[in-house]
Amino acid sequence: GAGVSQSPRYKVAKRGQDVALRCDPISGHVSLFWYQQALGQGPEFLTYFQNEAQLDKSGLPSDRFFAERPEGSVSTLKIQRTQQEDSAVYLCASSPTGDGSQPQHFGDGTRLSIL
Amino acid sequence: QQQVKQSPQSLIVQKGGISIINCAYENTAFDYFPWYQQFPGKGPALLIAIRPDVSEKKEGRFTISFNKSAKQFSLHIMDSQPGDSATYFCAASKYGGSQGNLIFGKGTKLSVKP
Repeated sequence: GAGVSQSPRYKVAKRGQDVALRCDPISGHVSLFWYQQALGQGPEFLTYFQNEAQLDKSGLPSDRFFAERPEGSVSTLKIQRTQQEDSAVYLCASSPTGDGSQPQHFGDGTRLSIL
Repeated sequence: QQQVKQSPQSLIVQKGGISIINCAYENTAFDYFPWYQQFPGKGPALLIAIRPDVSEKKEGRFTISFNKSAKQFSLHIMDSQPGDSATYFCAASKYGGSQGNLIFGKGTKLSVKP
């Protein structure tokens, strides 16, 4: 595809349920980032992949958050036992290189609402 | 501690006017400073970016001014148009290396009145 694709666009879950959010980066992009954007705030870094390797997960807020990119392309962000504070837009971004020298291209995000 | 501080939180400008948004950063290791534009329901889109080896970069109606000693940078939008109404985020990162994750400001909601 031409850009970063995220699905679903909207997800509503009850507190305590597990959710999985998908990111299809731009084809061939080495780097993949996940960010969390609370309402009215700037995006906050969650985790970073270079190909299939998760090089930085320092931004994941708790061990309920897990991300993977097993084949170095599509990535999934999983949140277990969701809480109301997990409600946010989850953004995925990709970049062509693994050296931070190229811009990040963002998808339109998944808006997660926890009831 | 907020590493990138952005102001103002909101801005109203008349069509044809100049919009100015300011950011200040803490970490002197940052060496890449992009500005992103975000419309409701959309992801951030890169507008313009600068590295600290230059003090100014211009692309069309958008200009970044950079002051390394003051650790500040700003976005100027000349001849602002209603279509520029959006939320603008400054960001910072370490250029190169194996990371490059962006640290964002809290955003400025710009409204351009016709």
